[in-house]
Amino acid sequence: NAGVMQNPRHLVRRRGQEARLRCSPMKGHSHVYWYRQLPEEGLKFMVYLQKENIIDESGMPKERFSAEFPKEGPSILRIQQVVRGDSAAYFCASSPRDSFRETQYFGPGTRLLVL
Amino acid sequence: AQSVTQLDSQVPVFEEAPVELRCNYSSSVSVYLFWYVQYPNQGLQLLLKYLSGSTLVKGINGFEAEFNKSQTSFHLRKPSVHISDTAEYFCAASQGGSEKLVFGKGTKLTVNP
Repeated sequence: NAGVMQNPRHLVRRRGQEARLRCSPMKGHSHVYWYRQLPEEGLKFMVYLQKENIIDESGMPKERFSAEFPKEGPSILRIQQVVRGDSAAYFCASSPRDSFRETQYFGPGTRLLVL
Repeated sequence: AQSVTQLDSQVPVFEEAPVELRCNYSSSVSVYLFWYVQYPNQGLQLLLKYLSGSTLVKGINGFEAEFNKSQTSFHLRKPSVHISDTAEYFCAASQGGSEKLVFGKGTKLTVNP
């Protein structure tokens, strides 16, 4: 059973470009979470999605960031007009059910560098 | 809102020595606690979790943690560390009714020969 897949593993963008980060949850998992890890910081929650629904986006910046989890295909975290402060590691996690008791399984992360 | 504090940003120890990584959380109301380990350039792997029941939780790789409600702590311990335990360790909490995890800033454990 493959784990959580994220691609690309590394992404370099120039200021003003768009970044698209993909996450494929573990087989049988229908709940996806995105977290951001800034240098020397812990992970910060961004958004929680189920298939075709955004459940909690309280951690998402108000502008330039969006996320989706379509009925088919991976979850996408999209960052428009990237700035240097967006440089970070972005982790996706998945769980099989919508319970705070469930373990979240993390992917290897996408490391975004904005030049 | 829930917050998690890891007091030690770095902990160096010698191989085969015991280690304790400290974690404190802010709210005891329906709190669930987790320890994750992150090896360089990898994702996070769950070490152990506390949901309810026995306050002493045993995890993988010989780690254990104790939930202490009166001290709002969930310290991670291992009686004898190996070089391979060198990694960053994150304490996290979730609170009843919310699926999102709140993480501490992490503790970098370095095991020296």
